[in-house]
Amino acid sequence: AQSVTQPDIHITVSEGASLELRCNYSYGATPYLFWYVQSPGQGLQLLLKYFSGDTLVQGIKGFEAEFKRSQSSFNLRKPSVHWSDAAEYFCAVCPGGPYNTDKLIFGTGTRLQVFP
Amino acid sequence: GAVVSQHPSRVICKSGTSVKIECRSLDFQATTMFWYRQFPKKSLMLMATSNEGSKATYEQGVEKDKFLINHASLTLSTLTVTSAHPEDSSFYICSARDVEGEQFFGPGTRLTVL
Repeated sequence: AQSVTQPDIHITVSEGASLELRCNYSYGATPYLFWYVQSPGQGLQLLLKYFSGDTLVQGIKGFEAEFKRSQSSFNLRKPSVHWSDAAEYFCAVCPGGPYNTDKLIFGTGTRLQVFP
Repeated sequence: GAVVSQHPSRVICKSGTSVKIECRSLDFQATTMFWYRQFPKKSLMLMATSNEGSKATYEQGVEKDKFLINHASLTLSTLTVTSAHPEDSSFYICSARDVEGEQFFGPGTRLTVL
């Protein structure tokens, strides 16, 4: 069965420091992968997605993620974190294909805390 | 991007009562909407897929008579938690899918059943 694992429940970084949030997936075929951010009082917002092609994907708010098939990973990175990045981050996989996002399977999330 | 709203944002009710949660796509039409449930420190779990003008499709283990879903228009889906009990307390999130297949999420509704 498809699954997504986010090993880090909670991460704390200083403002200006670099960030990497881990995501590992289990899926037999070509995965369609997503990163979402959830801020209090707001809906999940799509940061970036990977369907095919270049394995380094650029997203909004300065985030990027790299798909590594050999490691079954899709880690999210940002070179310099801002205090406004503090939020919950979810990795998700879609078995249904890039244009049929019915079955989004989410990881358990990573809470990011940013210290000034 | 597209905007999805939910109402109410939080609700507290007594055990045995029913609660209705609305999900609206504000600036686009959505033939398909989704309802998720999120437990503390847990991921979002898909409860059901709501299709405009037809019956909802429920995920395994979700009681369709407990969680009534209606998708009467292209911009509105409702989730009614019938005869709510404390174990139904949770954070309920909806999403709406646009014509390109992307899901846009609402801000969620916090349900507390006393």
